[in-house]
Amino acid sequence: SYELTQPLSVSVALGQTARITCGGNNIGSKNVHWYQQKPGQAPVLVIYRDSNRPSGIPERFSGSNSGNTATLTISRAQAGDEADYYCQVWDSSGGVFGGGTKLTVL
Amino acid sequence: QVQLQESGPGLVKPSQTLSLTCTVSGGSISSGGYYWSWIRQHPGKGLEWIGYIYYSGSTYYNPSLKSRVTISVDTSKNQFSLKLSSVTAADTAVYYCATRTNSGAFDIWGQGTMVTVSS
Repeated sequence: SYELTQPLSVSVALGQTARITCGGNNIGSKNVHWYQQKPGQAPVLVIYRDSNRPSGIPERFSGSNSGNTATLTISRAQAGDEADYYCQVWDSSGGVFGGGTKLTVL
Repeated sequence: QVQLQESGPGLVKPSQTLSLTCTVSGGSISSGGYYWSWIRQHPGKGLEWIGYIYYSGSTYYNPSLKSRVTISVDTSKNQFSLKLSSVTAADTAVYYCATRTNSGAFDIWGQGTMVTVSS
């Protein structure tokens, strides 16, 4: 089955840029979606199809996908961005999520 | 704007069947373009896709759960449901219903409901 690999944690200084990676075999050939989940809340879609932002998601959130790595970039990080982030793709076996990355804003 | 709300027992005994319902408001479950989905999250862990159903009734399940999962739709009540049989403690999790659009992303989520499997 297809596997997605994310770093367990990423730290970023307030106002700086955070990059969260999602690794998978030839992931660049797949559509990657990203979710933000704050404690006690349901996940929220922040990027779909690699680089598209749903309505209401700040422009500070962007995404890219190439080769074996997809990346979620959060510019000008704010305290409110502190959360768990999950990448997700579809594979022949169905929906696959990465293990999640805890973003800490220092 | 479509909204989702899960409901069902918060406690299920081992070997029994877990049954949850997701009520759809703000839109019709019979409208095309949405795949009505279930996702779960074990305590302190990541997300696991369980399966989805299209309004036509076609289903797609996670192979690791397929033998125990049934997802169905009740268009008259604008609801869809999850049944997971022969549960064990390993099925203890927060269960979310969500919509999957044609983009492949889960764009709308319910608030989630915690289900504990214990005698």
